[in-house]
Amino acid sequence: DADVTQTPRNRITKTGKRIMLECSQTKGHDRMYWYRQDPGLGLQLIYYSFDVKDINKGEISDGYSVSRQAQAKFSLSLESAIPNQTALYFCATSDPGKQTQYFGPGTRLLVL
Amino acid sequence: SQQGEEDPQALSIQEGENATMNCSYKTSINNLQWYRQNSGRGLVHLILIRSNEREKHSGRLRVTLDTSKKSSSLLITASRAADTASYFCASAAGANSKLTFGKGITLSVRP
Repeated sequence: DADVTQTPRNRITKTGKRIMLECSQTKGHDRMYWYRQDPGLGLQLIYYSFDVKDINKGEISDGYSVSRQAQAKFSLSLESAIPNQTALYFCATSDPGKQTQYFGPGTRLLVL
Repeated sequence: SQQGEEDPQALSIQEGENATMNCSYKTSINNLQWYRQNSGRGLVHLILIRSNEREKHSGRLRVTLDTSKKSSSLLITASRAADTASYFCASAAGANSKLTFGKGITLSVRP
C-alpha cells in the first residue's frame, strides 16, 4: 500500500552495527506501529505510538528503540544488531476510530 | 506471547472449492480481524467482526465469531488461484484495542 512506505526494503548489516528503519505514511493516522515477523510465526509488536508525544513498548522491545519525528514518520532503530534480529519488519498505521491497521511493504533485514 | 491460534496451519484446495480457516483466542476481545499476506509482502485487512456480532459477509468472505468458545472462522467461497496467500487472525483487546496476531494459515489454491 503506497500510503505507508518503508525504507530500506532490504538491508544486510553486521553484528554490532546500529541501523535505522524508517516508516512514512500519508494516511493522516495518529497511530503507528512496528512489528517483526519471523518465518512461520505471526507478527510480534515491538513498539507503538498513539501520537507524536506517545511511545509505548510492545511485546519484544528489548534491543530496539523508536522515534516519532512527526505524525507521518516513525523510525525503528536497532542499537547494536544481533543475528537473531534477522526478520521481516513491518510498519503499520491505524485510525483510532476504525481499528483496522494498514501495513507497509516491509523491510527484510539480515544481520550477519 | 501470541493470543491467536489458527487451524489448520496449512490448507491446499482445488480452485472452486470453499476454504475454511479457524482461529481461537484466549481473552475477551473488542473485535476480531482477518488479514491476508501475499508472500513477503505487507498484510492487507480483509474483514472485522465486533464482539457483539456473530456473522459478517464481505464478497466471497464470510466470518463468524463465537465468543463463548473464543473462536472465529473465515470462509472463502468459490476459491481462486489468486486467493493463495497466508491468512492471519488478529484479536483486538483492551482499552487501546491493540492487535495480537496468530501464526497464520498458508492457503494454496490449485488451478
